[in-house]
Parts: sequence; C-alpha cells; structure tokens
Amino acid sequence: DSGVTQTPKHLITATGQRVTLRCSPRSGDLSVYWYQQSLDQGLQFLIQYYNGEERAKGNILERFSAQQFPDLHSELNLSSLELGDSALYFCASGKGGDVEAFFGQGTRLTVV
Amino acid sequence: AQTVTQSQPEMSVQEAETVTLSCTYDTSESDYYLFWYKQPPSRQMILVIRQEAYKQQNATENRFSVNFQKAAKSFSLKISDSQLGDAAMYFCAYRRKETSGSRLTFGEGTQLTVNP
Repeated sequence: DSGVTQTPKHLITATGQRVTLRCSPRSGDLSVYWYQQSLDQGLQFLIQYYNGEERAKGNILERFSAQQFPDLHSELNLSSLELGDSALYFCASGKGGDVEAFFGQGTRLTVV
Repeated sequence: AQTVTQSQPEMSVQEAETVTLSCTYDTSESDYYLFWYKQPPSRQMILVIRQEAYKQQNATENRFSVNFQKAAKSFSLKISDSQLGDAAMYFCAYRRKETSGSRLTFGEGTQLTVNP
C-alpha cells in the first residue's frame, strides 16, 4: 500500500458526460501528479500541483481540469468525454524534494 | 524536452535465468533521477529501483541491478534468477531534480514474460 488513495477504482460513463476523479496523497506530501495511461499513448503526464498551486502542465486537454484543495487532496475533472478518453488515470504524490513519487492504484475510466 | 526510449517491446526469459531490459534517454541536465517501474496485471505501478545521476555506483536491489552509463545516456535493468512473479510490464522513467518535485517521463514499456 503506497498510502495514495484514488477513488473511484472503476468508472463507466457515456460520451459527452463529465466525471471527477479524486486523489488523497500520502500524509505530508505537498505534490500531486496526474498521469494518463492509454493503450496507444502509454503513460503521459497531465498536470502537477504543489501545495495548492499548479506547478507544471503536460499533455492535458482543455476539456480536462484539476485542482488541489487546502487539505492537499486533488481532483481531476474530465468533461465532454469521448471514447478516446478511456484510460487508466493515476495519481502520484511526493514531498517535493523526494526522489520518489508514490502511485495510487489508479482509476479505470471507460467511456461508452 | 526529455525523452525516454525502450527499444524492446517484449522480452522473455526462462525461470531462474537472467534478463536485461534496455533503456536510453535524452536530456541536457547534469543531475537527475532514473527509475525502473514494474506494472503487473493488477496495473499498480511499483518502483523497482532508482538511480541518482551524480552517483557513479550502479544501484542494486536484491535480484535487480542497473547498468548506468551516463555519457551514453543508457540505463539498463538486469533481473537475475528470474521468478514467475517478475512477469510484468517494465517502464523506464526519467525525472529532473527540482525542490518542488517534477514529472516522470516514461518510456514505452517492455512486456516481460517468464517461462517456467
């Protein structure tokens, strides 16, 4: 158990819908990272938050947004969903100066 | 931008034998971190081993060791005495060194099969 909690574990939704994925980082971790793992794109970095502020942005679509709350949990919002958004979404957390980031178990999103 | 390349989409090894997975990367940084992650069928991302670029000594974790060639920008993973439980997708990853942390850049992955 990495200490990073992601909910829900599985999500099935229809095209055009909006979903929210939640991540609770390890106690004391200030950084939260979101990654998308799809069959054709591999593991792609989406966005990083550090202590409530956006720190880095990767290949995140405009239909996607994220935020980190004062208690340091983070949410990834995916809207106007398309079939191609079906993927495994990982959250990882770290203290910042850590060498390692710790991964949650992921949320499997299926868009039908 | 940093890139990570794994040129072996699939590898197989006999149980108890040794296998080496290859990884190359490109960066202009002088200090950074390199990782190997294992992703079994459960899809959990498990850290196998890490290397800090300023350390010349190759990292070792039990049956897992790396061959880090900084000048060649090569970072291979050797698995000794392979076990059935080692069967998984293996990802090589790069990370810049930053005080607030930084993203991981992953390679495409190598699917390892262990044959009994």
